[in-house]
Amino acid sequence: SQQGEEDPQALSIQEGENATMNCSYKTSINNLQWYRQNSGRGLVHLILIRSNEREKHSGRLRVTLDTSKKSSSLLITASRAADTASYFCATVRHSGSARQLTFGSGTQLTVLP
Amino acid sequence: KAGVTQTPRYLIKTRGQQVTLSCSPISGHRSVSWYQQTPGQGLQFLFEYFSETQRNKGNFPGRFSGRQFSNSRSEMNVSTLELGDSALYLCASSTYARTQHNEQFFGPGTRLTVL
Repeated sequence: SQQGEEDPQALSIQEGENATMNCSYKTSINNLQWYRQNSGRGLVHLILIRSNEREKHSGRLRVTLDTSKKSSSLLITASRAADTASYFCATVRHSGSARQLTFGSGTQLTVLP
Repeated sequence: KAGVTQTPRYLIKTRGQQVTLSCSPISGHRSVSWYQQTPGQGLQFLFEYFSETQRNKGNFPGRFSGRQFSNSRSEMNVSTLELGDSALYLCASSTYARTQHNEQFFGPGTRLTVL
């Protein structure tokens, strides 16, 4: 079952605008990751934030993590048409030697030229 | 390095048949995980393999099975296919380490359609 929900489910913006996506999860985590998926293709890892970090940047991406609220947000600045994709957050819990990614439901981002 | 490869890319089967999907991880990666993606259920974890051993299993029926070979390549098998098994099956590889750094590299997926 999915760990949590992403909000909004769909987002449509103009090129150049910023896009913010939110992710909520239910259990304690070791880290949280964001992935992008272009239509019907594999996922591409964007950024990882550890449970003891609050904010992380990578290029035009900014991720925040609030473990007290069990939530994270992904900000894409100065969006481009090529950013059109589905974005998923995934949480990682380590249980002994086993790990698994638990994905959110995703946000479909459309960036209009 | 070459990325994660999955074969075949597309597959059409009929109910009751069985299917085997293959995944070759990035060279040097010893952990392989499988995920099922459907419009209704989203991305769901199937299982993870490391050193030819299943380390973790998701909540799927026994019709779903997998294995990993000594060269880290992995296969997953679905027996007695049902219409609901139609999905994109994604394989991901990662370096296995008891750390928090757990970036996974995904293949392009196998699109399975069950008629």
